[in-house]
Amino acid sequence: GENVEQHPSTLSVQEGDSAVIKCTYSDSASNYFPWYKQELGKRPQLIIDIRSNVGEKKDQRIAVTLNKTAKHFSLHITETQPEDSAVYFCAASLGDYKLSFGAGTTVTVRA
Amino acid sequence: GAVVSQHPSWVICKSGTSVKIECRSLDFQATTMFWYRQFPKQSLMLMATSNEGSKATYEQGVEKDKFLINHASLTLSTLTVTSAHPEDSSFYICSARDFAGAGTSSYNEQFFGPGTRLTVL
Repeated sequence: GENVEQHPSTLSVQEGDSAVIKCTYSDSASNYFPWYKQELGKRPQLIIDIRSNVGEKKDQRIAVTLNKTAKHFSLHITETQPEDSAVYFCAASLGDYKLSFGAGTTVTVRA
Repeated sequence: GAVVSQHPSWVICKSGTSVKIECRSLDFQATTMFWYRQFPKQSLMLMATSNEGSKATYEQGVEKDKFLINHASLTLSTLTVTSAHPEDSSFYICSARDFAGAGTSSYNEQFFGPGTRLTVL
């Protein structure tokens, strides 16, 4: 099955700085790559996603890049704010729509 | 739109009892639902894929006789944890895929329920 690795496991940034989280996947057939934000005790919330036919996607302060050749994708958060503090998960999906999640990154934005 | 609910939100039970968790898609039809388990400070692990009108497909290592899944309608899937033990204590989350693609995001998007916190004493 698909194996997704995520780095770093923790990330502390100063408010206003950028945060970058990187993920790699193992199955070249994966075609859908969502990113989720999860606050303690809550459901994962989709913040951005990208399909394999697109290299980059941006939504306000959040962007995702995908390198199919290298089988890695990254989440970029610019101008971080305290409310961006949460656990972020990347995931990858094959055509069967099952999601394989990365281990998660705990992001702390220091005021 | 694309709202998924779970019930109960939390449950405490004694070891050896069974617990049923419901997952409902409130405003769309979900031919496929997924059940995940999340231990504290860990990631979501897919347990099984629930298909309406057919048997669930379980991931490797998940006991199908312990985690019974029923998907009897296009809006409801249930997970029953049978003979629960303390090691089954976890956060159980379902998700549903909007087959019609009526969500605002891509066709592949899954919509997650709020989760059920199970504590087995």
